[in-house]
Amino acid sequence: QVQLQESGPGLVKPSETLSLTCTVSGDSITNYYWSWIRQPAGKGPEWIGHIYSRGGTNYNPSLKSRVTMSVDTSKSQFSLRLSSVTAADTAIYFCARVATLYSSSWIDYWGPGTLVIVSS
Amino acid sequence: EVVMTQSPATLSVSPGERATLSCRASQSVTSNLAWYQQKPGQAPRLLMYGVSTRATGIPPRFSGSGSGTQFTLTISSLQSEDFAVYYCHQYNSWPRTFGQGTKVEVK
Repeated sequence: QVQLQESGPGLVKPSETLSLTCTVSGDSITNYYWSWIRQPAGKGPEWIGHIYSRGGTNYNPSLKSRVTMSVDTSKSQFSLRLSSVTAADTAIYFCARVATLYSSSWIDYWGPGTLVIVSS
Repeated sequence: EVVMTQSPATLSVSPGERATLSCRASQSVTSNLAWYQQKPGQAPRLLMYGVSTRATGIPPRFSGSGSGTQFTLTISSLQSEDFAVYYCHQYNSWPRTFGQGTKVEVK
């Protein structure tokens, strides 16, 4: 069974860049889409974007100008960078795998999540 | 953007009783609808996809129905481990969106 684990700083200063990495184990990173989702305290999840193992991306328009996702298949990792952060970006950040069937794709496995606080 | 609205926000149910959770989409998502269960301090867990297909390991007391804009998750007989927050999620269009959740609590 696939396992995902987020890593990165838990505290980021306002206006700086949030950087997180997700390490995938138990399955190949290739031939899948991978996703980042965040969840502010007490709220529903917010989809940030998808990245394909070969590099294609799809971002949430609300974050698109600040988001960059990348994948390193040699390390079985994919990453998220979110620039110019503010307190509104404080949330638990999850990485996840995307299952696909024909033209449909849904999130099936999630990492445990990592809390990122934006504060000076 | 497709807005997903869940009701009720909180559902108080006794163990062994049936729970019915609703999810409405602001526009049709056809059958591209999933449900997740989230317990405190944990990541969401996939329960259902394609409206009514149970994910691996999900017991048959969970069932999903609906199409287009109206969807229902039913838990036929609540067990102690089912008290949690449930989210619906549409993956029919971009950006992907989630509902705000229904908390199922002990009555």
